[in-house]
Amino acid sequence: NAGVMQNPRHLVRRRGQEARLRCSPMKGHSHVYWYRQLPEEGLKFMVYLQKENIIDESGMPKERFSAEFPKEGPSILRIQQVVRGDSAAYFCASSLNLGANYGYTFGSGTRLTVV
Amino acid sequence: GENVEQHPSTLSVQEGDSAVIKCTYSDSASNYFPWYKQELGKRPQLIIDIRSNVGEKKDQRIAVTLNKTAKHFSLHITETQPEDSAVYFCASRAGTYKYIFGTGTRLKVLA
Repeated sequence: NAGVMQNPRHLVRRRGQEARLRCSPMKGHSHVYWYRQLPEEGLKFMVYLQKENIIDESGMPKERFSAEFPKEGPSILRIQQVVRGDSAAYFCASSLNLGANYGYTFGSGTRLTVV
Repeated sequence: GENVEQHPSTLSVQEGDSAVIKCTYSDSASNYFPWYKQELGKRPQLIIDIRSNVGEKKDQRIAVTLNKTAKHFSLHITETQPEDSAVYFCASRAGTYKYIFGTGTRLKVLA
């Protein structure tokens, strides 16, 4: 029973390129949450998605960032025209129902470095 | 907006001593408080949690206390060991899915 799977683990992009981060939830889970961790900081909520729907994107920057969770396949966090300030670790978590009775189990994260 | 303050930012203790990390939250509707341990380059891992209807919870060498009136909660680690060295994050949840994290405490246990 694999946990939340994220790939790639490490991603290097030049300024102006696009970054695509993938999150496969635990089996049977239809709710996905993305968090961002800037260097030396705590995690910050970005977006909450259910299958084919964005429920809450209040933590996601309005420009350049988008997220989706299609009917089939992983959730994708997409960052267009990356800048150095996007360098961070991006973690996702999943749940069977809305929220979770207990704290989330995060995936291993994607560490994005913008050069 | 909602905020969680965490202190201290760094903490060094001798092996075998106790470590205490404190957090304060702002949203009175917060009802669930998990603690995470993050080792270098790894994911945050849930180590203990407490709900708003409980004042204290213990799991072997770690314990968490909650003071709802003061909006304080604390992590206590007794008999610290070198493998306890990591960054610890507190968090609070007011609704059903959004967590507010503290800024982290870097704990170093000196052998």
